[in-house]
Amino acid sequence: NAGVTQTPKFQVLKTGQSMTLQCAQDMNHNSMYWYRQDPGMGLRLIYYSASEGTTDKGEVPNGYNVSRLNKREFSLRLESAAPSQTSVYFCASSDIWGDYGYTFGSGTRLTVV
Amino acid sequence: AQTVTQSQPEMSVQEAETVTLSCTYDTSESDYYLFWYKQPPSRQMILVIRQEAYKQQNATENRFSVNFQKAAKSFSLKISDSQLGDAAMYFCAYRDDKIIFGKGTRLHILP
Repeated sequence: NAGVTQTPKFQVLKTGQSMTLQCAQDMNHNSMYWYRQDPGMGLRLIYYSASEGTTDKGEVPNGYNVSRLNKREFSLRLESAAPSQTSVYFCASSDIWGDYGYTFGSGTRLTVV
Repeated sequence: AQTVTQSQPEMSVQEAETVTLSCTYDTSESDYYLFWYKQPPSRQMILVIRQEAYKQQNATENRFSVNFQKAAKSFSLKISDSQLGDAAMYFCAYRDDKIIFGKGTRLHILP
C-alpha cells in the first residue's frame, strides 16, 4: 500500500540548474496533480493531468513543465531553477472526479540557492 | 474564481477541550465537495473529513465534525476532546473541477 510515492524527499539546487521531481501512484487513479506549499500561502496548484495523455496549467505554472509518462507517473521539471522556486512540492492523485479527495505523496523539500 | 478563506492563522486549545476552525468559500456552483486536511509535522497531508454540498447532514468522523452552512458558504471543523496528536496545520479545501486550498490554520494543543 504505497499510495503516492515522490522522489527525492529533499534537494538543494543552485540557481540555473535543472531537475525533475518524480511521482508515481499505484491506486489506478486517472488524475494527478502537482502543488507547491509556501509558508502562509497554503497549497497552490502548479499543473494537473486529468487523464493519461492530458496536462493543464494550474494557478502557478510559470517556470515548470510536466510530463504524464503513463497512467502511474507524473513528473515535474524545473528547467532553470530560481530562488523563488524554493518550496515544498506535493504530488497527489485521485479518481477522475476527485470526489473523495486527493491522496498525497510525502512531499519534496526543494531549496534553490 | 473560487476562493477558500481561513481567517484564523493560528489557534490554541487546551487538551481535552473542544475547538472550532473556521472556513468560508466563494462559489457560484450548487454541487461541489468540501474537505478538511490535516498536515502534522511529518508534512504528510491527511484527509480528515469530507462533505458533499447536496447533503444537508453534517459529516462526522469520530471526534471530528463539520458545521456546513451552504447558504452562508461556511464550512467549519469542530474537534472534540482535543488530543496532543491533533496538533497540526489544518487546511480547508473546496473541489469544483480541482481542489483549491485555504491558507491553513495552525492548531496548537496545550497540555
